[in-house]
Amino acid sequence: QKEVEQNSGPLSVPEGAIASLNCTYSDRVSQSFFWYRQYSGKSPELIMSIYSNGDKEDGRFTAQLNKASQYVSLLIRDSQPSDSATYLCAVNIFGGGADGLTFGKGTHLIIQP
Amino acid sequence: DAGITQSPRYKITETGRQVTLMCHQTWSHSYMFWYRQDLGHGLRLIYYSAAADITDKGEVPDGYVVSRSKTENFPLTLESATRSQTSVYFCASRAGTGGEQYFGPGTRLTVT
Repeated sequence: QKEVEQNSGPLSVPEGAIASLNCTYSDRVSQSFFWYRQYSGKSPELIMSIYSNGDKEDGRFTAQLNKASQYVSLLIRDSQPSDSATYLCAVNIFGGGADGLTFGKGTHLIIQP
Repeated sequence: DAGITQSPRYKITETGRQVTLMCHQTWSHSYMFWYRQDLGHGLRLIYYSAAADITDKGEVPDGYVVSRSKTENFPLTLESATRSQTSVYFCASRAGTGGEQYFGPGTRLTVT
């Protein structure tokens, strides 16, 4: 059974600070990793993808992957009130007859002005 | 560029009725997916398709049927709706193996 675990929060961060979101996954053959942002009543919006160990930066967002520890994280620098949302971690295992994303239940992030 | 669309956006139906949720994408992506999102369970995969006429089950396929006669369309049918199928349904698509998935706006389905 593939599992993706996230702290549900809420995680409260002051405006301008760094928000750190964490995710662990159970399946060692997981091959690609994604962070989605979801506003209440809206669909998931892809914000970061990462495929290999290390850091990947895109604007204010940095994704970090450590396959040995089965851990993926998302850092949001200079947090803005508009970053307040639920952040979903997702992993993809493909091959061997399986495909599709396995999601964590999400971390609710609140940026306090 | 419409991307990926879903219809209807909201649907109320009665137990036992057949319901079809539509998904259409304009990117010519090979892969398409159906997920449901429920409080306490998060997003779960129902069915997916790697190409026209190729479909496969996901984590929670029972009570659902899919087809894919054209690359751009991937309808999801609830053959006899049950209250447990009350949920928000999202369609997603992906260009190639293992890459990024993009989600449609969702359909909120209520089964009474």
